[in-house]
Amino acid sequence: QVQLKESGPGLVQPSQTLSLTCTVSGFSLMDYSVHWVRQPPGKGLEWMGRMKYDGDTYYNSALKSRLSISRDTSKSQVFLKMNSLQTEDTAIYYCTVLYYFDYWGQGVMVTVSS
Amino acid sequence: DTVLTQSPALAVSPGERVTISCRASESVSTLMHWYQQKPGQQPKLLIYKASNLASGVPARFSGSGSGTDFTFTIDPVEADDIATYYCHQSWNSRTFGGGTKLELK
Repeated sequence: QVQLKESGPGLVQPSQTLSLTCTVSGFSLMDYSVHWVRQPPGKGLEWMGRMKYDGDTYYNSALKSRLSISRDTSKSQVFLKMNSLQTEDTAIYYCTVLYYFDYWGQGVMVTVSS
Repeated sequence: DTVLTQSPALAVSPGERVTISCRASESVSTLMHWYQQKPGQQPKLLIYKASNLASGVPARFSGSGSGTDFTFTIDPVEADDIATYYCHQSWNSRTFGGGTKLELK
């Protein structure tokens, strides 16, 4: 069955770089796009960007200068890197397939704090 | 980027009909989707392409609209429907609305 699982550090220092990995199973990264969505505590959802099935990437314009999404199809992994983190980047980070059906990872809570 | 505007909260009683609106800052054709999120859970797709019910979703849920104005309806509301509902467009990049929190009267 389709599964997505995020992994990465729970705590990042301000101004540092966040690196997250989304490991998928049950489908090929060359068949479906994988998106990153985040949610600050008590707030709404923010679409961050996506790795398209053909390898193309697209980013939220507000995050584009700090964000990079890449993949390793042989390992079924999608990577998120975001630099210059600030406290307002504290959030649950999800990787997800958003199509006419959806699959979501459990999410990983990332806290930006010194 | 396309901005989606939703009313922040609505109070309902079980058995009632409730409608949530979502207005886009520019046309998104019919590429509007609706998600339900309960506390501590991931969002769940309910409606895709404005009016199509996602697999396994009860027919109490429905959606309509095109262009810039969309509505999402639950009829009748059940207690288990208390959650936050988000609209999400995929016509111009992707954006989510701010969410509408459904509360019990």
